[in-house]
Amino acid sequence: GEDVEQSLFLSVREGDSSVINCTYTDSSSTYLYWYKQEPGAGLQLLTYIFSNMDMKQDQRLTVLLNKKDKHLSLCIADTQTGDSAIYFCAERTYNTDKLIFGTGTRLQVFP
Amino acid sequence: DVKVTQSSRYLVKRTGEKVFLECVQDMDHENMFWYRQDPGLGLRLIYFSYDVKMKEKGDIPEGYSVSREKKERFSLILESASTNQTSMYLCASSRTSGRGSRYNEQFFGPGTRLTVL
Repeated sequence: GEDVEQSLFLSVREGDSSVINCTYTDSSSTYLYWYKQEPGAGLQLLTYIFSNMDMKQDQRLTVLLNKKDKHLSLCIADTQTGDSAIYFCAERTYNTDKLIFGTGTRLQVFP
Repeated sequence: DVKVTQSSRYLVKRTGEKVFLECVQDMDHENMFWYRQDPGLGLRLIYFSYDVKMKEKGDIPEGYSVSREKKERFSLILESASTNQTSMYLCASSRTSGRGSRYNEQFFGPGTRLTVL
């Protein structure tokens, strides 16, 4: 079945770039998403990429997609303490509204 | 401002009790979802509803049931709560991809942290 994997933790210094990685198994994925969960809150969509794209940039966020390797990355430039959160990648496959979520990566930003 | 609300932020119940978790959305979305979130396991889909009175099992439906009598409300029911159901429960909603935007964002509630003693 489908599986989405992420590393559990990432720690970076304020001002550095963060790279959060995700691998997925379903080659029929249509959209891939990054959601952010701040402490005590639900998930909020950060960005998404359609499967026929390689890259998408949105202010400090860059999403890279390597479809051949089924690898997705979220790059955060100039990471701030307010970026500390859990980041989930998710995939949606063809002809369904359901998402498969990864395990989540807890990003900790220290001064 | 779009909103998904959940009836409780924190809930403590005893083993064997019947538990109702309520979720309401104000966006006229067709789809509603219940997930549980556990550390190291991410979000796992319990049940999905794509229309009133319609439901589909997710990845971990055992021990749960759902009810969707009105479009805006989706209830998760634990018929007889057990300690292994202690978790964070998240509700979400989205448009049917044929009607909404193609990327079809899911909107989440703040979660209910359930403890079963």
